[in-house]
Amino acid sequence: EAGVAQSPRYKIIEKRQSVAFWCNPISGHATLYWYQQILGQGPKLLIQFQNNGVVDDSQLPKDRFSAERLKGVDSTLKIQPAKLEDSAVYLCASSPNRVQAFFGQGTRLTVV
Amino acid sequence: AQSVTQLDSHVSVSEGTPVLLRCNYSSSYSPSLFWYVQHPNKGLQLLLKYTSAATLVKGINGFEAEFKKSETSFHLTKPSAHMSDAAEYFCVVSVSGSARQLTFGSGTQLTVLP
Repeated sequence: EAGVAQSPRYKIIEKRQSVAFWCNPISGHATLYWYQQILGQGPKLLIQFQNNGVVDDSQLPKDRFSAERLKGVDSTLKIQPAKLEDSAVYLCASSPNRVQAFFGQGTRLTVV
Repeated sequence: AQSVTQLDSHVSVSEGTPVLLRCNYSSSYSPSLFWYVQHPNKGLQLLLKYTSAATLVKGINGFEAEFKKSETSFHLTKPSAHMSDAAEYFCVVSVSGSARQLTFGSGTQLTVLP
């Protein structure tokens, strides 16, 4: 079974630039999560989708972050404009049952 | 609301000695609890999970954890550490509800000394 795919693996941008991350969940998984993991901390939930609808985006900084899952499969997370404190690993995960989540390898973002 | 506290940010053990990584949780409802491991530059891998069945849960690579409701704990143990166990470990709690989020602890970095 193919796992959760994320791209790119690494990204370096200057502050105030924009960036987008892509996630392809495991086939058939209705739930998709985006997490932000700052160095030395545990992952923090940014947004949770159930199919193509948003279940929880209470911790998403909506002034600069946006995410979509238009067809209920792939998802993109965008940051515009980026700040230095956005440097982190962005993890995508999917779940068939909202009990167990399967994680991708993440995208490491460095904002300089 | 739910939360999880990992009591040690760093644990060092010698190879062949027991491992104990401590986790306490807070939850208004019956929780599901997980331990994930993260090796450098790799994705999060599920070690084991508790979802209201047996309180002693066995996972991969010889790890196990015991759910103790009275102590609100879910400590991770392994009888004998191996060099390959060196990694970051996360305790995670999830409760039922429409969102059913996974809330992560801050992590415990396990170092295994030769």
